[in-house]
Amino acid sequence: NAGVMQNPRHLVRRRGQEARLRCSPVKGHSHVYWYRQLPEEGLKFMVYLQKENIIDESGMPKERFSAEFPKEGPSILRIQQVVRGDSAAYFCASSPPPGYNEQFFGPGTRLTVL
Amino acid sequence: DQQVKQNSPSLSVQEGRISILNCDYTNSMFDYFLWYKKYPAEGPTFLISISSIKDKNEDGRFTVFLNKSAKHLSLHIVPSQPGDSAVYFCAANFGNEKLTFGTGTRLTIIP
Repeated sequence: NAGVMQNPRHLVRRRGQEARLRCSPVKGHSHVYWYRQLPEEGLKFMVYLQKENIIDESGMPKERFSAEFPKEGPSILRIQQVVRGDSAAYFCASSPPPGYNEQFFGPGTRLTVL
Repeated sequence: DQQVKQNSPSLSVQEGRISILNCDYTNSMFDYFLWYKKYPAEGPTFLISISSIKDKNEDGRFTVFLNKSAKHLSLHIVPSQPGDSAVYFCAANFGNEKLTFGTGTRLTIIP
């Protein structure tokens, strides 16, 4: 069974460009979470999605960041007009339907903004 | 507001001895606690978890202890092996929702 897949693994963008990060959850998992890890810090929650629904976006910056998990296809985290402070590792996690507390993480996308 | 705290940024332990990693939390709503292990340039790997209705959970070399009155949990690894060298994150959640992570403890096992 394939685990959580994320691509690209590394992404370099110049200031002002857009970054699109993709996440395919474990097959059968219907819940997706995005976390961000800044250098020398722990992981910080950004957004929690189910298919076609945003459940909790309390950790998302108010501007430039958006996320979706369409009926078909991967979940996408989109960052518009990137700035140097967006440089971080972005991790996606998935979990089965409710009743299961464990979340399983992908390898992450390392975003570098020049 | 750091709701989950790992006060030891690093820990060195001799191979074969016991490693004890500590974690404190402030939010009494948390009802589930997890430990993750992370290697550089990889995602966190789930290790072991414990529900708030228990005070101990064991899986092979790994045991997690929960002291709800003290809002404290610990991860014991025995015997420690070189492959255990990694960063360990404590995490907590309630209602199957978002995880709140500590800042991590870097464990180094000395051969």
